[in-house]
Amino acid sequence: EAGVAQSPRYKIIEKRQSVAFWCNPISGHATLYWYQQILGQGPKLLIQFQNNGVVDDSQLPKDRFSAERLKGVDSTLKIQPAKLEDSAVYLCASSLDYTGLSNTEAFFGQGTRLTVV
Amino acid sequence: GQNIDQPTEMTATEGAIVQINCTYQTSGFNGLFWYQQHAGEAPTFLSYNVLDGLEEKGRFSSFLSRSKGYSYLLLKELQMKDSASYLCAVRDYQGGKLIFGQGTELSVKP
Repeated sequence: EAGVAQSPRYKIIEKRQSVAFWCNPISGHATLYWYQQILGQGPKLLIQFQNNGVVDDSQLPKDRFSAERLKGVDSTLKIQPAKLEDSAVYLCASSLDYTGLSNTEAFFGQGTRLTVV
Repeated sequence: GQNIDQPTEMTATEGAIVQINCTYQTSGFNGLFWYQQHAGEAPTFLSYNVLDGLEEKGRFSSFLSRSKGYSYLLLKELQMKDSASYLCAVRDYQGGKLIFGQGTELSVKP
């Protein structure tokens, strides 16, 4: 089966500019995650969707970051305006809708490496 | 909230056994995952534990104690290609929020 698709792979922008990332999850996966991973750290959850509804966005800097998942499939993550500290890899992941004790691991895309200069 | 702790880095010798520990605190637990991440690549799934005990999968095993908030990943017969970051992640009971630890950078030396 096709994996999680993300684009672009790399992006360099100047601070205060805006940028958008796109994610296409694995077909049939109800749950979609956006993570920010700064070099040398673990992935930090920014937002989690269940179909087209938000499950958690408690760590999303809402003054500059926004995300949507229209129609419960593809998702976009936007940063406006970008700051130097936003330089990181942005990972999208998806999983089946979990129930009970089932193992529904998250599958990750290759990520978008963002450099803000 | 959730808090996950694991060592920052470890070093081991090729052919040896290494144990990577993970401790966690969560308001609601619904599973613990281990992922492997090579430099510049996406994390890939290794193992899943939701009940106490040991899960074995080839050279990799993972253990969970829910009462102690503790898990470990055991890697046997280490190979050079096992040099990577190992991420412990906990799934929250409500909503299935998946939170990762900082990762343990494992270096395997000849």
